Amino acid sequence: SQTIHQWPATLVQPVGSPLSLECTVEGTSNPNLYWYRQAAGRGLQLLFYSVGIGQISSEVPQNLSASRPQDRQFILSSKKLLLSDSGFYLCAWSVRGFSYEQYFGPGTRLTVT
Amino acid sequence: RKEVEQDPGPFNVPEGATVAFNCTYSNSASQSFFWYRQDCRKEPKLLMSVYSSGNEDGRFTAQLNRASQYISLLIRDSKLSDSATYLCAVNRNAGNNRKLIWGLGTSLAVNP
Repeated sequence: SQTIHQWPATLVQPVGSPLSLECTVEGTSNPNLYWYRQAAGRGLQLLFYSVGIGQISSEVPQNLSASRPQDRQFILSSKKLLLSDSGFYLCAWSVRGFSYEQYFGPGTRLTVT
Repeated sequence: RKEVEQDPGPFNVPEGATVAFNCTYSNSASQSFFWYRQDCRKEPKLLMSVYSSGNEDGRFTAQLNRASQYISLLIRDSKLSDSATYLCAVNRNAGNNRKLIWGLGTSLAVNP
């Protein structure tokens, strides 16, 4: 069966510090991968999605970036965090070319202080 | 108008009650519809896909109304454990990226 991992689970970082969040998927090949952010009391905001290694599409211009160095690995980064980057970061995957159903990892709760 | 809209609630219902949520969408070309459940401080989990003919899974029934562009979720015999936020999701467009547009969620509290 498929499993999606995210780490760390929680993170407290000062403004201006760098960020690296990692997501890995097991049990499937060639998935579509997604990074979302959910701010307190707000909906899911799609940040990036990827249909393959090295292929990243950005939904919202901001100080975040994403990379997909391996088929089942998706990384979210920032060089300098802002207070507004606080939120619940969720990685998700879907089967390419089959269904729109997305499956989420456990998320990383980021607080920028 | 937002692409996907939900009544935020909260819906407060007693155990055993029947409760229904609606979710409206603006893109008439949308073909895929889903209900997700999100517990507090947890990730969303797929509850049901919504098919044209409607579908039922135990106490949960999902319906699609294309003419009026909304989907619905009916929960019968509510349990305390049904307390959560229910998110609807609709595909934005065709293609390989498989992007979904999300509602803000409807909060449900089932009370003893």
